[in-house]
Amino acid sequence: EAGVAQSPRYKIIEKRQSVAFWCNPISGHATLYWYQQILGQGPKLLIQFQNNGVVDDSQLPKDRFSAERLKGVDSTLKIQPAKLEDSAVYLCASSLVGSPREAFFGQGTRLTVV
Amino acid sequence: QKEVEQDPGPLSVPEGAIVSLNCTYSNSAFQYFMWYRQYSRKGPELLMYTYSSGNKEDGRFTAQVDKSSKYISLFIRDSQPSDSATYLCAMKGLAGRRALTFGSGTRLQVQP
Repeated sequence: EAGVAQSPRYKIIEKRQSVAFWCNPISGHATLYWYQQILGQGPKLLIQFQNNGVVDDSQLPKDRFSAERLKGVDSTLKIQPAKLEDSAVYLCASSLVGSPREAFFGQGTRLTVV
Repeated sequence: QKEVEQDPGPLSVPEGAIVSLNCTYSNSAFQYFMWYRQYSRKGPELLMYTYSSGNKEDGRFTAQVDKSSKYISLFIRDSQPSDSATYLCAMKGLAGRRALTFGSGTRLQVQP
């Protein structure tokens, strides 16, 4: 079974530039999460989708971050404009509905803002 | 105050030692408790899952939950160098829509 796919693996941008990350969840997983993991910290939820609807985006900095889930499958997370403090690993995870304990994570995209 | 507190370590032990990793939490609504293992430059992978209080054993790993003290533990017996990783505790409440709340992770190094 294929896992959660994320791209790119690494990205370096200058502050005030924009960047986008892509995630393809495990087939059949209706729930998709984007987490931000700053070095030395645990993952923090940015946004949760169920199919193509947003369930929770309370911690998403909406002035600069946006996310969408196309046709309830792939998802993109965008940052515009980026700040230095956005340097982190962006993790995508997916799970069956109602089962976050079985959430499967991708390898993440490591973003460095300089 | 963070909802979930976890000692960041690093924790260094010799091969074969028993390792104890712990988290405390403040939200009494948490009912599901998980431990994830995260190798360097990889995503977290689920190691253990426990519902409510009690113990759960899986091979060399034992997870304990004490809801009265709001304290959870992961024990690793006969630790191996391959266990060297960051261990993240995570938890959630019964409301099905909420995602996991993670601790900050404990970095473990098992010396051969």
